[in-house]
Amino acid sequence: DAKTTQPNSMESNEEEPVHLPCNHSTISGTDYIHWYRQLPSQGPEYVIHGLTSNVNNRMASLAIAEDRKSSTLILHRATLRDAAVYYCILRRSYNNNDMRFGAGTRLTVKP
Amino acid sequence: DTEVTQTPKHLVMGMTNKKSLKCEQHMGHRAMYWYKQKAKKPPELMFVYSYEKLSINESVPSRFSPECPNSSLLNLHLHALQPEDSALYLCASSQGDQVAYEQYFGPGTRLTVT
Repeated sequence: DAKTTQPNSMESNEEEPVHLPCNHSTISGTDYIHWYRQLPSQGPEYVIHGLTSNVNNRMASLAIAEDRKSSTLILHRATLRDAAVYYCILRRSYNNNDMRFGAGTRLTVKP
Repeated sequence: DTEVTQTPKHLVMGMTNKKSLKCEQHMGHRAMYWYKQKAKKPPELMFVYSYEKLSINESVPSRFSPECPNSSLLNLHLHALQPEDSALYLCASSQGDQVAYEQYFGPGTRLTVT
């Protein structure tokens, strides 16, 4: 299975943008890039996903490198509620039910 | 309603007990999942049901026995557990088995085995 590498932790100031990086150098052409986050004492929640093009939704933006070996989750204005562990996950299009979490990045947001 | 509910919230059981965890969703989702999460670790996939059939079993010990009685309900039957099985057990569901479908997670059942 293709693996992802993320920094263990990052800090941000409230109301500033946050860029969370993810390396996936062994990504294959059929792998989708998914991001989930887990707030304290809650189950994970979906954030965004993409294949090749950059994606935007109400929660975040996903910027995917042209060679697809890395991606960046962008939170445009961090709030205290965004403090969570963020997971970057590769999902094979032919093995759809299989979702394996990596270690993730713990984001701390300072007021 | 985009909610996955799990009961109980907390469970303490002895190593000789038999208990069950329950998960329910009413979103019409056809895929359901069990994950195990140890403290400060990421969730680990245990089982996947797709259209009420077991499609993935991640070499989980037989003391964990999943059951999907219908498309809205998922159970995890526990028997003769070990203290190292203490963890947060998360249930999730998704609309179907395509990679574009996001998974919705419940809040989990925190299990302690004494």
